Amino acid sequence: GAVVSQHPSRVICKSGTSVKIECRSLDFQATTMFWYRQFPKQSLMLMATSNEGSKATYEQGVEKDKFLINHASLTLSTLTVTSAHPEDSSFYICSARVRQTTGELFFGEGSRLTVL
Amino acid sequence: DQQVKQNSPSLSVQEGRISILNCDYTNSMFDYFLWYKKYPAEGPTFLISISSIKDKNEDGRFTVFLNKSAKHLSLHIVPSQPGDSAVYFCAASESGGTSYGKLTFGQGTILTVHP
Repeated sequence: GAVVSQHPSRVICKSGTSVKIECRSLDFQATTMFWYRQFPKQSLMLMATSNEGSKATYEQGVEKDKFLINHASLTLSTLTVTSAHPEDSSFYICSARVRQTTGELFFGEGSRLTVL
Repeated sequence: DQQVKQNSPSLSVQEGRISILNCDYTNSMFDYFLWYKKYPAEGPTFLISISSIKDKNEDGRFTVFLNKSAKHLSLHIVPSQPGDSAVYFCAASESGGTSYGKLTFGQGTILTVHP
């Protein structure tokens, strides 16, 4: 069964609004979660590393004021796309490590964002 | 700079035959490699992984081979089944430091298994 759950799976919003996507680890605590983004027919690109109780670490080229990440508990990380524009339309996926000793990541179901 | 490359965008195989998906990497710091399967509009599903201390890892129909000197890995699926049809992503990571747990993905290969 799923070990990482993401919500919502699909969201459509108007340009200029903000959208929040939730990522939950099920039955385990995740001190670190990762947010990826996938454009159509392209690879998954790491956006940021979400750290419980501290600021997220963003990859080069990712606007931290645009993509707000909050990791307030050991089982929940949220990604908020602020003042969304059509170019933010994408597939956003979160992931977490179940075991600290390996690099194996389990992914959520993904969230399809469409900005009109 | 594409550090993980899957040069074949697609692969078509007959049911029952072997599927071989290839992946090359350039970053010599990568020491952990994973294969994921992905359906459209879903998150990737973990298939199999291999550490750089090994050259082969097998799990049922799936076997991953690693050639460190060539910076090349491959995923073998045998026998292939129609349900294996999906996009397969190769991913790599460094096991230490701040990069731990961060995956770098290849572009993906679309596998189609024909009945």
